[in-house]
Amino acid sequence: GAVVSQHPSWVICKSGTSVKIECRSLDFQATTMFWYRQFPKQSLMLMATSNEGSKATYEQGVEKDKFLINHASLTLSTLTVTSAHPEDSSFYICRPGQAEEGEAFFGQGTRLTVV
Amino acid sequence: DAKTTQPNSMESNEEEPVHLPCNHSTISGTDYIHWYRQLPSQGPEYVIHGLTSNVNNRMASLAIAEDRKSSTLILHRATLRDAAVYYCILRDVDPSGSARQLTFGSGTQLTVLP
Repeated sequence: GAVVSQHPSWVICKSGTSVKIECRSLDFQATTMFWYRQFPKQSLMLMATSNEGSKATYEQGVEKDKFLINHASLTLSTLTVTSAHPEDSSFYICRPGQAEEGEAFFGQGTRLTVV
Repeated sequence: DAKTTQPNSMESNEEEPVHLPCNHSTISGTDYIHWYRQLPSQGPEYVIHGLTSNVNNRMASLAIAEDRKSSTLILHRATLRDAAVYYCILRDVDPSGSARQLTFGSGTQLTVLP
């Protein structure tokens, strides 16, 4: 069964509105959550790293006020794209972090289209 | 993170073996070699990983060069469902116990021909 549940799988929103993406770790407690973004025909790029109960760390070039991350529990992290613009249209993927070596589990991804 | 180099694309015929190469000449002694694949419109999926010895699982085999500067992912009988982008990633384990991010390169787009 799925280890990571990411919702919604796709969303279309109007410019200027906000969209929330949820990522749930089903089988283990995730102290850390990684959020990636993937533009068409490109690879995954890390956007931010969140730790439960503390502020997220954003990669260079990612606006922290635009991409709000909440990691309030060990099983749930959310990414909110605020005041979305068409250039924010992308595939967003989460991954709960694991300290130990081994298989990493990713969310199914969320296809965001801003019109 | 140490860098990996993969061919942009490869083709294979259905039911034939596929050998996907990866070069990682700057690999460190503690880097594990991971392979993930990504089907269209899905999140990446774990395939296999190893450190020094060759590894086999139900999905694939991983052959690691003796000097660890390269590795090859082997799909023994490609199916149409194996068409995906395959990523070779080096992953170190943080001695402090913190989770480490995975850095994705451009990967290899595998096309399986019927």
